[in-house]
Amino acid sequence: DVKVTQSSRYLVKRTGEKVFLECVQDMDHENMFWYRQDPGLGLRLIYFSYDVKMKEKGDIPEGYSVSREKKERFSLILESASTNQTSMYLCASSPGFSGANVLTFGAGSRLTVL
Amino acid sequence: SQQGEEDPQALSIQEGENATMNCSYKTSINNLQWYRQNSGRGLVHLILIRSNEREKHSGRLRVTLDTSKKSSSLLITASRAADTASYFCATSGTYKYIFGTGTRLKVLA
Repeated sequence: DVKVTQSSRYLVKRTGEKVFLECVQDMDHENMFWYRQDPGLGLRLIYFSYDVKMKEKGDIPEGYSVSREKKERFSLILESASTNQTSMYLCASSPGFSGANVLTFGAGSRLTVL
Repeated sequence: SQQGEEDPQALSIQEGENATMNCSYKTSINNLQWYRQNSGRGLVHLILIRSNEREKHSGRLRVTLDTSKKSSSLLITASRAADTASYFCATSGTYKYIFGTGTRLKVLA
């Protein structure tokens, strides 16, 4: 089975802390994505990566950065967490951008910033 | 901004009934996909329909696509309590998958 593994299911952090959310996929997928999900707003794309060391901003990149040093791993970094970053974070991967690719999601990481 | 908008936002039905949810989008698409999310979990892909297709079936799922109206519908037949979840449509352009806000389906046993 294709697997996308997010390292933490639940995190509680303090305002101003640096937060790392890790995502690993085991299917040699080219593309990886980070979304955040908030009630009434659906899924919003934060960043995506189509290759190692490559990254592109999504719709809401402010306050976030990403790192992709290896093909299987895509990390989301909150340099200085704020309460408005309390959310569910979803990592996903796909083989490529052919147009018929589907996304495989991790189980999600629920972050609470106090 | 979100491309897809699902309708209704929430739906409650009895087990055995059919559930229909709709999705509208704004721009041209390569394909449209439907995903399901159980409470507090990640999304799972259900079905993909290409822009040149009008209808597609998978088990108890039936998806239609009307590109002239920029809309799609997902029908779940003979619903079960286990179908209780949120359902999202997603459209894909060149590089991005854009999700709607979802329909929360509750199937009562």
